[in-house]
Amino acid sequence: ETGVTQSPTHLIKTRGQQVTLRCSSQSGHNTVSWYQQALGQGPQFIFQYYREEENGRGNFPPRFSGLQFPNYSSELNVNALELDDSALYLCASTRAGGAVGELFFGEGSRLTVL
Amino acid sequence: GQSLEQPSEVTAVEGAIVQINCTYQTSGFYGLSWYQQHDGGAPTFLSYNALDGLEETGRFSSFLSRSDSYGYLLLQELQMKDSASYFCAEGAAGNKLTFGGGTRVLVKP
Repeated sequence: ETGVTQSPTHLIKTRGQQVTLRCSSQSGHNTVSWYQQALGQGPQFIFQYYREEENGRGNFPPRFSGLQFPNYSSELNVNALELDDSALYLCASTRAGGAVGELFFGEGSRLTVL
Repeated sequence: GQSLEQPSEVTAVEGAIVQINCTYQTSGFYGLSWYQQHDGGAPTFLSYNALDGLEETGRFSSFLSRSDSYGYLLLQELQMKDSASYFCAEGAAGNKLTFGGGTRVLVKP
């Protein structure tokens, strides 16, 4: 286990609703990244947070937003949910200046949008 | 832009050797990581290659050729527990990784 915990593990929403997903990073890790993984595909980078600021963003619309808190935990918020937002949302933590290429992932929050 | 290509599925028997290839087309290439993901589980880090050559970690090895924009993951002495999806990933500054589509490895008795 990586020490990265995510909640909730599963949730079901309907189109147009909003969702908040939460992540606690591994002890000593100050950088949190969020990824979306559709069924049968690789994870896609949504954004990264470092020192409570967004530090890079992938090709996702503004209705995907996030926060990082002083204890390095993080939230992913998605507004105006669409059917295509159904996916596994993965949080990954690392330490700035830590090992290159190595992320520590949580087990994800599986979102189903009906 | 960044894109990584890998085969979608590989099947092999216990004890065999499997090679999963990954070709990439990226600008500003940093290095190639490999991750394993069991069904319903989290991706877990296996290896990272920044320089050309072979990195060995137990039964798993990873190779990189920057001149060919190519890498591979070698799984030796396959075990049933190795049945999983394997992803190559290229890392930009700050470990913002771009993943390939994944290779599903099925190990048969």
